[in-house]
Amino acid sequence: QSALTQPRSVSGSPGQSVTISCTGTSSDIGGYNYVSWYQQHPGKAPKLMIYDVTKRPSGVPDRFSGSKSGNTASLTISGLQAEDEVDYYCCSYAGSYAWVFGGGTKLTVL
Amino acid sequence: EVQLVESGGGLVQPGGSLRLSCAASGFSISNYWMSWVRQTPGKGLEWVANIKHDGSEKYYVDSVKGRFTISRDNAKKSVYLQMNSLRAEDTAVYYCARGESWFDCWGQGTLVTVSS
Repeated sequence: QSALTQPRSVSGSPGQSVTISCTGTSSDIGGYNYVSWYQQHPGKAPKLMIYDVTKRPSGVPDRFSGSKSGNTASLTISGLQAEDEVDYYCCSYAGSYAWVFGGGTKLTVL
Repeated sequence: EVQLVESGGGLVQPGGSLRLSCAASGFSISNYWMSWVRQTPGKGLEWVANIKHDGSEKYYVDSVKGRFTISRDNAKKSVYLQMNSLRAEDTAVYYCARGESWFDCWGQGTLVTVSS
């Protein structure tokens, strides 16, 4: 149950698009379509942004989208806004009824 | 309003025990798997355990197996995490979360500090 690998930080300018990667193995991301993404403001609980790789919960802007290719999942944020400058975490089913998170990525809006 | 409220955190010595509680409101927990997720100060998230709707299935991350026990009381709309043989590395904010495959509702978290 090793943690998924995310870049420590990514950045982009307002209005641009950024993509956050989440790399695992064939035993987690590559083996199942149970990838979710969470946004976390400092001192607050995480908020679900994407589930089942590509699905968006009600209330989440369509600027947020998810995808997966092989053992890597991605979260893309288009039309970057200042309010998007927080931390993002990926999560995947890892088999044997276990779940694994990524280490988190800090998004900076330049 | 859908809400989860954790309680029971605090300072405990290594080897000690603590029981966390999670009170749900605004929805029927009997319809959902429930989970505990922890976050080490300044670090990432780690799934800890989850429990099926009726409590018949429970699963744990390897590092807490044999030490932590998740349980639930649907009548009291509550989920619990009994933590025994606590270690320094268990120090974290513990979140109660709704769901199994994804976590769509989280509590505010309760801080557990294991230190002598």
